[in-house]
Amino acid sequence: GENVEQHPSTLSVQEGDSAVIKCTYSDSASNYFPWYKQELGKGPQLIIDIRSNVGEKKDQRIAVTLNKTAKHFSLHITETQPEDSAVYFCAASKGSNYQLIWGAGTKLIIKP
Amino acid sequence: KAGVTQTPRYLIKTRGQQVTLSCSPISGHRSVSWYQQTPGQGLQFLFEYFSETQRNKGNFPGRFSGRQFSNSRSEMNVSTLELGDSALYLCASSAGLAGGRSLNEQFFGPGTRLTVL
Repeated sequence: GENVEQHPSTLSVQEGDSAVIKCTYSDSASNYFPWYKQELGKGPQLIIDIRSNVGEKKDQRIAVTLNKTAKHFSLHITETQPEDSAVYFCAASKGSNYQLIWGAGTKLIIKP
Repeated sequence: KAGVTQTPRYLIKTRGQQVTLSCSPISGHRSVSWYQQTPGQGLQFLFEYFSETQRNKGNFPGRFSGRQFSNSRSEMNVSTLELGDSALYLCASSAGLAGGRSLNEQFFGPGTRLTVL
């Protein structure tokens, strides 16, 4: 079945620097790739998503890139701020009738 | 719109007991998914219900079951609790409608923290 691998498991960056989290997926039929952010004591929240017909998508300081050939996608956060500290999850899906397959999560730590 | 609500927020049970958790999705959402989250294990998918039917199922034993009512509210039940069932149980709702822009976005509730002693 589909498998999503996420790296690194923990990422520590200096405030103001950029952070990159990478995911690879196994099922070439996957066509939807969301990223969720989970803050302490809360459920995950969608921050950005991309579909397979798009290579890159940006929303202010965050961006996601997708390489369908290599079957990997990445989350980029620029000018990191303390409020970016959280656990980030990537996921992949073949469509609305299919479950989301989740990565293991990345704990992002922003050092002041 | 009100968000996804889960009750209770905290629960303490002993081994062998059973437990029922409740989830009320966002109004109009027809899909409800359940996840188990433990430290270091990420989000483990339990099952998804869409219009009162189980549409997808994860790799959990039969002790874990769920159902969805006609108003889209969902419950999950765990029978014969084990120590390893201690976890945060998250519910997420989505529109789940084919062809919609936001059909895949899942909105999570705050979770129910279950402790099994």
